Amino acid sequence: AQTVTQSQPEMSVQEAETVTLSCTYDTSENNYYLFWYKQPPSRQMILVIRQEAYKQQNATENRFSVNFQKAAKSFSLKISDSQLGDTAMYFCAFMKLGYNTDKLIFGTGTRLQVFP
Amino acid sequence: KAGVTQTPRYLIKTRGQQVTLSCSPISGHRSVSWYQQTPGQGLQFLFEYFSETQRNKGNFPGRFSGRQFSNSRSEMNVSTLELGDSALYLCASQVQGDTNTGELFFGEGSRLTVL
Repeated sequence: AQTVTQSQPEMSVQEAETVTLSCTYDTSENNYYLFWYKQPPSRQMILVIRQEAYKQQNATENRFSVNFQKAAKSFSLKISDSQLGDTAMYFCAFMKLGYNTDKLIFGTGTRLQVFP
Repeated sequence: KAGVTQTPRYLIKTRGQQVTLSCSPISGHRSVSWYQQTPGQGLQFLFEYFSETQRNKGNFPGRFSGRQFSNSRSEMNVSTLELGDSALYLCASQVQGDTNTGELFFGEGSRLTVL
């Protein structure tokens, strides 16, 4: 069975600074996706960034980038130039790769507060 | 393109009652999944439907059931409600087939309170 662990329940960062959220996972699968989802207060969950396990290059999306270490089973999210709108719960998630894709397995989340 | 729509957004029930939640996926998305979100247990997978068939099921009691219609809309039902069923129920849809990226698109959720 797969597990996802987020060891930082809460983080805070000042506007314009950089923050890194940690995530580790455990799986015996070789082909899978990893995701970071953002859930703003009282708003719907949206995808921040996605990484395919077979790709060695770390994914980037504007101010968001990941550090994917497959051997260490680590998948951290770096947010550069933090903005007030980045305040949200951030969930790391795992999904097996395939046509009949399996469920998302979520970590417990990290609550990020961005201060002015 | 409209997003994932869930109804109702909020509802209050009493123990022993039953509830039905509805989810309309993004047009063209044939897979619909349901997740339960609680402060104590976090986000847990309930079940996933594709082409009106349940493909995957999480570790929830039989009181939790669902179905999917031919237009891909989905409903989930919880019978004999318990206090612990109070949660935010999230629906998510995804594309299937060659263009599937694994990304799930979530609705805003249905917040159920059981008194």
